[in-house]
Amino acid sequence: KAGVTQTPRYLIKTRGQQVTLSCSPISGHRSVSWYQQTPGQGLQFLFEYFSETQRNKGNFPGRFSGRQFSNSRSEMNVSTLELGDSALYLCASSLEASSTDTQYFGPGTRLTVL
Amino acid sequence: GDSVTQMEGPVTLSEEAFLTINCTYTATGYPSLFWYVQYPGEGLQLLLKATKADDKGSNKGFEATYRKETTSFHLEKGSVQVSDSAVYFCALSEVAGANNLFFGTGTRLTVIP
Repeated sequence: KAGVTQTPRYLIKTRGQQVTLSCSPISGHRSVSWYQQTPGQGLQFLFEYFSETQRNKGNFPGRFSGRQFSNSRSEMNVSTLELGDSALYLCASSLEASSTDTQYFGPGTRLTVL
Repeated sequence: GDSVTQMEGPVTLSEEAFLTINCTYTATGYPSLFWYVQYPGEGLQLLLKATKADDKGSNKGFEATYRKETTSFHLEKGSVQVSDSAVYFCALSEVAGANNLFFGTGTRLTVIP
């Protein structure tokens, strides 16, 4: 089975722009979660989608948004980029949205904001 | 709120040494506990997990036991290899009906030949 794929792998943007990141989960997985990884804050949960519905959201401003499509693929969008948004954005998928489920992570998208 | 506290790194060990990375957690309910590993330039890979008290997770020679009485989930390996060099993250997932993970800060392990 193919793993979680994320596109693009690298992005360079300037302040004020917006960006869309894409995640394709493992086939059959219905839950997709997004995380931000930075050297200062570590790994932080952004949001989780299950069956096209956002079930959980972390403590991030409204500039961060996401969605999930009927095929479980997910996108996240960051508007009005700030320098502090530079990070590795990781997507993870799991079969269901249970706390006992294993989340499988993609390789991440590294976003640099100049 | 939920949180995970991990042993500060970095940790440097010689090949075949014994490894312990401490992890303690704070949670209001009954969390599932995980250890993830991140190799350079890659995403996170699940190393092992335990979903209830006294469960022992194990994989690739690594072990961790879910200790409710001490709220701990320490990672151990009897004999590390150079290929074990990576960053190790302890994490918990608690909320029923959802599976957002709370991560520790990560511990960088370097194993020297």
